[in-house]
Amino acid sequence: DTEVTQTPKHLVMGMTNKKSLKCEQHMGHRAMYWYKQKAKKPPELMFVYSYEKLSINESVPSRFSPECPNSSLLNLHLHALQPEDSALYLCASSPLVQGLTEAFFGQGTRLTVV
Amino acid sequence: SQQGEEDPQALSIQEGENATMNCSYKTSINNLQWYRQNSGRGLVHLILIRSNEREKHSGRLRVTLDTSKKSSSLLITASRAADTASYFCATALRGGSNYKLTFGKGTLLTVNP
Repeated sequence: DTEVTQTPKHLVMGMTNKKSLKCEQHMGHRAMYWYKQKAKKPPELMFVYSYEKLSINESVPSRFSPECPNSSLLNLHLHALQPEDSALYLCASSPLVQGLTEAFFGQGTRLTVV
Repeated sequence: SQQGEEDPQALSIQEGENATMNCSYKTSINNLQWYRQNSGRGLVHLILIRSNEREKHSGRLRVTLDTSKKSSSLLITASRAADTASYFCATALRGGSNYKLTFGKGTLLTVNP
């Protein structure tokens, strides 16, 4: 199984809502990532987890809260978002080896904040 | 911050022609990777070239890396309409005790039947 599964595929939320994005992989990868991608732009790294611990936070606003409950799951909790946070949110995983090898991406959650 | 800068930003060719995309970066890297993204979907890894390698092939793909110029190129030979997608280079950079993958701006390739 070489898939990274993200749910939901689409999400519309109001600025006062709380929602969560979910990501799951069963490849035994111990590094997992959240990226944000705006239209016609490259993916921008948000968070990196290694061995279920947050290792990189790219100065992301606190209204985005990541969580890694176990080695297969990665969540992104959303609260009090702004319309400019509307984007495609991509989860990825990779083997945790020195040098970083191939990353496997999910199909993304397209988030619209209204 | 963006590490890679792709060139051109958009490329339109006919089926059967070759497509060449270039990527430049600014800092030392461990490796450089190329990814493909169909419209609004996830990214798919195409090929990885390590900093001590100069050229790599995979099927119709050929990647070169020039670390002295901090640049890479991706050549797709005998293009097909199904190759239409955005192509991104990504550099693996050390962030603390971990590595992170940082993407360039991308090239939108259109292959016309």
